[in-house]
Amino acid sequence: KQEVTQIPAALSVPEGENLVLNCSFTDSAIYNLQWFRQDPGKGLTSLLLIQSSQREQTSGRLNASLDKSSGRSTLYIAASQPGDSATYLCAVRRYSGGSYIPTFGRGTSLIVHP
Amino acid sequence: KAGVTQTPRYLIKTRGQQVTLSCSPISGHRSVSWYQQTPGQGLQFLFEYFSETQRNKGNFPGRFSGRQFSNSRSEMNVSTLELGDSALYLCASSPSGTGVTDTQYFGPGTRLTVL
Repeated sequence: KQEVTQIPAALSVPEGENLVLNCSFTDSAIYNLQWFRQDPGKGLTSLLLIQSSQREQTSGRLNASLDKSSGRSTLYIAASQPGDSATYLCAVRRYSGGSYIPTFGRGTSLIVHP
Repeated sequence: KAGVTQTPRYLIKTRGQQVTLSCSPISGHRSVSWYQQTPGQGLQFLFEYFSETQRNKGNFPGRFSGRQFSNSRSEMNVSTLELGDSALYLCASSPSGTGVTDTQYFGPGTRLTVL
């Protein structure tokens, strides 16, 4: 059974810091890994999607890497801003019944203070 | 393009009752998935529908059921509610769900409280 762990569970940093959020998974037979952001009381917003054959993806100040063999992914946030405050979740997908089913980590709750 | 909408946004029920939640996917999306999010268990996959057929199901009891209509709108039903069913129920849609690059778009969720 796939298990996804995110470390740290919570993080509080001053504005401007560069951050690394970690995601590890136990079964390396994944098709892709996706990072999401969730604001309080709201749904998830997709940030980055990395295919199993890729090593990293970048979008603006965000960079996600994937090391499938070791079961790890990191989300790097450059020059953090208060607007980055949210919970960040990673999800790995397996193939089942014709579609790709995600298993989510518990998330990292990030607070960036001015 | 309108996003994924879920109704109602908030719901309070008592133990033993049943509840129906509704999800309207993004226009043109045919895959709809449902998730339960609780502080204790995190975000867990409930089921996925595609073309009115349940394509995948998570590890939840039979009290949890769903269906999808021909216009891709979906409903989920929980019968004989328990206190532990209190959660944020999220719906997500994607074009087909079969593409490895398919991204899911999430709705704002329905907050269910069982008293």
